Amino acid sequence: GAGVSQSPSNKVTEKGKDVELRCDPISGHTALYWYRQSLGQGLEFLIYFQGNSAPDKSGLPSDRFSAERTGGSVSTLTIQRTQQEDSAVYLCASSERGLAKTQYFGPGTRLLVL
Amino acid sequence: GENVEQHPSTLSVQEGDSAVIKCTYSDSASNYFPWYKQELGKGPQLIIDIRSNVGEKKDQRIAVTLNKTAKHFSLHITETQPEDSAVYFCAASIGGGGSNYKLTFGKGTLLTVNP
Repeated sequence: GAGVSQSPSNKVTEKGKDVELRCDPISGHTALYWYRQSLGQGLEFLIYFQGNSAPDKSGLPSDRFSAERTGGSVSTLTIQRTQQEDSAVYLCASSERGLAKTQYFGPGTRLLVL
Repeated sequence: GENVEQHPSTLSVQEGDSAVIKCTYSDSASNYFPWYKQELGKGPQLIIDIRSNVGEKKDQRIAVTLNKTAKHFSLHITETQPEDSAVYFCAASIGGGGSNYKLTFGKGTLLTVNP
């Protein structure tokens, strides 16, 4: 079946502009995660959605970052007033409900802020 | 919070040799340890995982060992092939309560298998 999809695959923007990144999880997966991967670094947890529960936003680096998940499926990560240090690969993952379920990752969105 | 250290950062082996990547974690409450393989331009893909109630798990040429006392776990790849070349990430999640989903990743190991 279809895996996690993300769009756009690449995004180049100017400093100060807002960007929106989209994630379509695997059908039926109730949990959705966003991670950030900077050059040469591991994956940094950003935010977690599980069903209708309040999201865990503890990993968001600043109030310029926000995320929504509409209808329990598609999610959008928004970065306002982008800065050069926001340049990274933003990865989305989804999993079934439950503890320690396998997280399946999408291909990521490569963001470059000039 | 949890901290995961991964070594080495780069590893080069000859085709057919074995490769070992090691990770340590800080929080003794962690109980789930997945390994991901990331090829260039792609997202990470799970290759094997282990939970704290077992010490070793094997899947064909890949094995993972876990030492909870020492708080470290390792990935072993035998009979390496050029297609094993990728970046490998270890991760750990803190068990209990509602936070078991939150994976903390190591910084990755770039494995190069030379033909």
